[in-house]
Amino acid sequence: EIVMTQSPATLSVSPGERATLSCRASQNVHSYLAWYQQRPGQPPRLLIYGASTRATGIPARFSGSGSGTEFTLTIRSLQSEDFAVYYCQHYNNWLLAFGGGTKVEIK
Amino acid sequence: DVQLVETGGTLIRPGGSLRLSCAASGFSVSNSYMNWVRQAPGKGLEWVSVIHSGDSTLYADSVKGRFIMSRDNSKNTLYLQMNSLRADDTAVYYCARMPSVFFGMDVWGQGTTVTVSS
Repeated sequence: EIVMTQSPATLSVSPGERATLSCRASQNVHSYLAWYQQRPGQPPRLLIYGASTRATGIPARFSGSGSGTEFTLTIRSLQSEDFAVYYCQHYNNWLLAFGGGTKVEIK
Repeated sequence: DVQLVETGGTLIRPGGSLRLSCAASGFSVSNSYMNWVRQAPGKGLEWVSVIHSGDSTLYADSVKGRFIMSRDNSKNTLYLQMNSLRADDTAVYYCARMPSVFFGMDVWGQGTTVTVSS
C-alpha cells in the first residue's frame, strides 16, 4: 500500500503571493501523480496529472513538479478563488490513494 | 456535456445494505476507468474502488468484502453495492472518471450522501 503524505496541513498566504504545497509518496510512483482542488461544497477538480501537466482549462499560475516520491504544487500569485483544499493522489498502481490535503487559507 | 450524476444516498442503520448509482452522459463508462471516492464529514478524500475497461475491480481495504462495484454498459451507469454498513462508512460518495492510466480523475459527480446511524 502506497501512503501519500501532504505538508503542511494548513498554509496561510496573502492574495498575490506564491503558495508551495508538498506531497510525498511512501514508494516510487514515477510520474503517476495528480493534484486536485476542492472548494467548500464542491467536488474535487483535477488540476495537474502526470505530475506536471495542467488539465484542460487550468490557469498557468498552477504548476506541478517532481517524480518518484517527492512532488510539489506551486500556485503563483494566489487569487481569491484559489483559497481551497488541495489533494495529491497517486495512480501508479490500481490501489489508488489520496494525501490528507493541504488547506490554503487567506493570511 | 460530459456529466456524472450519483443517486441513492440516504440514512440507513448499521448493518444495512444500500446501492448507489452513477449515471454518465456524454461519454461511455465502458471505455473508461471508473472510480468511487468518498469523503467523510470534515475529512479528506478516500479512494473506494475502481472498475477497469475489462470489468475487473479493485477495492480499498476498508471496504473489501463488503462493497461491490459494477456497471451496466447498456444504461451507461455505475453501481456501488454497499453491504454490512458501519458508522464509519458515513460520507459523501462521488463517482469519478479516469480516462486512461496516464490521467487523473477528470470528471466528478456532485456526490450523494450516505449516513449510517441508528
